[in-house]
Amino acid sequence: DTEVTQTPKHLVMGMTNKKSLKCEQHMGHRAMYWYKQKAKKPPELMFVYSYEKLSINESVPSRFSPECPNSSLLNLHLHALQPEDSALYLCASSQAPLGQGDKNIQYFGAGTRLSVL
Amino acid sequence: RKEVEQDPGPFNVPEGATVAFNCTYSNSASQSFFWYRQDCRKEPKLLMSVYSSGNEDGRFTAQLNRASQYISLLIRDSKLSDSATYLCVGMEYGNKLVFGAGTILRVKS
Repeated sequence: DTEVTQTPKHLVMGMTNKKSLKCEQHMGHRAMYWYKQKAKKPPELMFVYSYEKLSINESVPSRFSPECPNSSLLNLHLHALQPEDSALYLCASSQAPLGQGDKNIQYFGAGTRLSVL
Repeated sequence: RKEVEQDPGPFNVPEGATVAFNCTYSNSASQSFFWYRQDCRKEPKLLMSVYSSGNEDGRFTAQLNRASQYISLLIRDSKLSDSATYLCVGMEYGNKLVFGAGTILRVKS
């Protein structure tokens, strides 16, 4: 089973709202990721968590705030977003940070399609 | 220069055709490479890892040439269900995936 579950599937929010995206995996993976994908573009990395600690922040604006409460869960808190933040937000996980071979493989959730009005 | 470059296509091929996609990468420190496929409005799904020795999975063959910084994917006997966007992906230190822009494949009956 290589399942990464993301909720909600769709989210519409105003620029003054606060919302959270959730991601869950029960594969025992110790690395989790947030990606952003705009229409007709490839995914772009936002954050990497390794062993529940933030290891990479790709200069993401502070209106996006990640959180990793435990090894199975990853949240992305959203506040004061802009319309240009509308995108598909993808969560992924892999077996081991800095692993070799197949331990590197990242498995993606179905994503949350976010619209900011 | 983009870190991972692909021909965006689209490649329009008939069922049963053989089609090849190429990809180049600029970061020689990239450690691992993959091909993912992404269907419209869906998440990327791993198609296969790519090794210097070449690897084959059914109708799919992938090859990595580190000297030329070149990656390829060959699809034989194309099926309608192969229609998708194929993403060439490099992994940099820290498990950072860097995606190419994707190559669109349309297989027609």
